[in-house]
Amino acid sequence: QSVLTQPPSASGTPGQRVTISCSGSSSNIGSNYVFWYQQLPGTAPKLLIYRNNQRPSGVPERFSGSKSGTSASLAISGLRSEDEADYYCAAWDDSLSGPVFGGGTKLTVL
Amino acid sequence: EVQLVQSGAEVKKPGESLKIACKGSGYSFASYWIGWVRQMPGKGLEWMGIIYPGDSETRYSPSFQGQVTISADKSINTAYLQWGSLKASDTAMYYCAKRGIAAADSFDYWGQGTLVTVSS
Repeated sequence: QSVLTQPPSASGTPGQRVTISCSGSSSNIGSNYVFWYQQLPGTAPKLLIYRNNQRPSGVPERFSGSKSGTSASLAISGLRSEDEADYYCAAWDDSLSGPVFGGGTKLTVL
Repeated sequence: EVQLVQSGAEVKKPGESLKIACKGSGYSFASYWIGWVRQMPGKGLEWMGIIYPGDSETRYSPSFQGQVTISADKSINTAYLQWGSLKASDTAMYYCAKRGIAAADSFDYWGQGTLVTVSS
């Protein structure tokens, strides 16, 4: 049982816009930054969004993040086949003094 | 360029000990928290613990407290994760990850992972 709640799966067709939600509490998302990671099959997680809505250099503008209260979401526009991956949200948790993760969302591009 | 390079895959028997490593470069290693994350086969990411190499302050997830030991040697920019007695259930991919500079940050850079297989 993960501390942050994500839908286990999401899907879309090429060119569509999909969103992935992440729900937490006041001790994590409510008081700290949300980070999003993309994990392609057989590879390490890669930072996709940091500090709620910032993109590292090299991450396409198609990826965007937002946060409101104790929830956050990741949006992917202009869906491409190479976006097929697992996506995880994370946030520091003040009660745990460590990061907490969502259970991951498997994105399928139909 | 920030890089975290982990030691290679390990195959061990139950009851054996193990220490895996994570070497950081391209940043001030002593000044950033570095953590360990477990990913069991087909499962999600689980935070195990974190260390501040500058003074070796360490925190553990309650799920892993007493099961593993995290350490760091800032003189060689390397963090470690070790087990005293491995179990088959320790079979997993283990990642090290660097935390951002802000108190509200999570992990920004990740190592490539170390696969640990425990089998008799």
